Parts: sequence; structure tokens; C-alpha cells
Amino acid sequence: AQSVSQHNHHVILSEAASLELGCNYSYGGTVNLFWYVQYPGQHLQLLLKYFSGDPLVKGIKGFEAEFIKSKFSFNLRKPSVQWSDTAEYFCAVKMVDQGGKLIFGQGTELSVKP
Amino acid sequence: KAGVTQTPRYLIKTRGQQVTLSCSPISGHRSVSWYQQTPGQGLQFLFEYFSETQRNKGNFPGRFSGRQFSNSRSEMNVSTLELGDSALYLCASSSGLASYEQYFGPGTRLTVT
Repeated sequence: AQSVSQHNHHVILSEAASLELGCNYSYGGTVNLFWYVQYPGQHLQLLLKYFSGDPLVKGIKGFEAEFIKSKFSFNLRKPSVQWSDTAEYFCAVKMVDQGGKLIFGQGTELSVKP
Repeated sequence: KAGVTQTPRYLIKTRGQQVTLSCSPISGHRSVSWYQQTPGQGLQFLFEYFSETQRNKGNFPGRFSGRQFSNSRSEMNVSTLELGDSALYLCASSSGLASYEQYFGPGTRLTVT
């Protein structure tokens, strides 16, 4: 069965540190890729998306992600985190030939210390 | 543009009862998907509707069902509730199926006692 793996369950960083969250998926066909963020007490928000073209995509709030097809990876990065980035981050994959169904990773909780 | 709305936001039910949850998508969106979020299993896909037709279904028992109306609003129903059905149920809407992003609502928190 197709799956999405997020390598880190809980990441703790100090403000201004760099962030990289790993995401790998298992599916050999065409995919759409997403990162969602869930701030405490809020609903899931789309951070960024990849459909096709340039594998380096930029999202909101200074986040970016790189799609490496050969590694089935879509890692999320931010050069300098802020306390307000404290949230849970979810990687999600849509298999294009299977409609709109999203498969989510288990999520990574990010805590940023001021 | 208003976001995805879900009603009710909170619900407490007893084992064996049934429940209906409602979702109104973003105006103009024709696709609605439902997900279950629990601490143990994370976010799991329930089903997806597009133009009133179920296009995809996740690995949930038949007690979980849904439908979509002509105005794209969607409902999901869970019959014969079990304690394990306690979860946050999320609805997401999209303009289409593949190569479109999904926008999520705030969810309905269902507690089964």
C-alpha cells in the first residue's frame, strides 16, 4: 500500500535555527505533493504544493520544499525559524491517477524556543 | 471568499447511536473529501465526492457513509457508533480532483461515550 513517512516526530529548535523536515513516499507514478501546517487550536492550512515543473517550490511564511523524484522525497525547509512557527507539519501525497485522495504522513511537531 | 465550514463543531454521542456531520465547501468548489484525524492513526482518508458522485473510498467499515448534494454541500454519516470512532472529522474542498489543492475546514470533534 502507498505510504508517506515523516522522519521526525518531534523537533525542537531555537529561534533563528534552520529547519529541514523529511518526507518520503512510496509510489512510482505521478504525484502531487503538499505540506500542510496546523497551528495550535487552528485548522490545517496549506503551506506549499508541487504539481509539476520546477522541483523547488516556495510557499508562505518563508517555507520552501524540494521534490527529488529519484529519492521519492519532498523535504520542507526554512532558513530561520521563528517562535510563531511552532506547529504540527504534515506532508501529504496525492496519486494523480487515483483522484483527489490525500495520503498523509504522521506529522512532525515543531517546537521553537524563543 | 468564505472558507470551508463544518457543523456542528463539537458532538457527544453514546455508543450505538448514529451521527450526521455536515460540510459546506468553498463557493465554486465541486469536490469534497472527508478525513478522520486521531492521535494514534493520524489523518486517514474516508471518501471523496465530485459532482454528487463518490469517486474514492478509504478503508473504513460500511458504517461510514456520505453523500453530496447538487449545491456541493456534503454530509457524512456514522451508524452504530463505537468508542473508537471518537475523532476529529475534517472536510476538505477543492476545485477538482488531481492537480488541485484541498482546503480544510475546522473539523467536527466527535466524542463517543
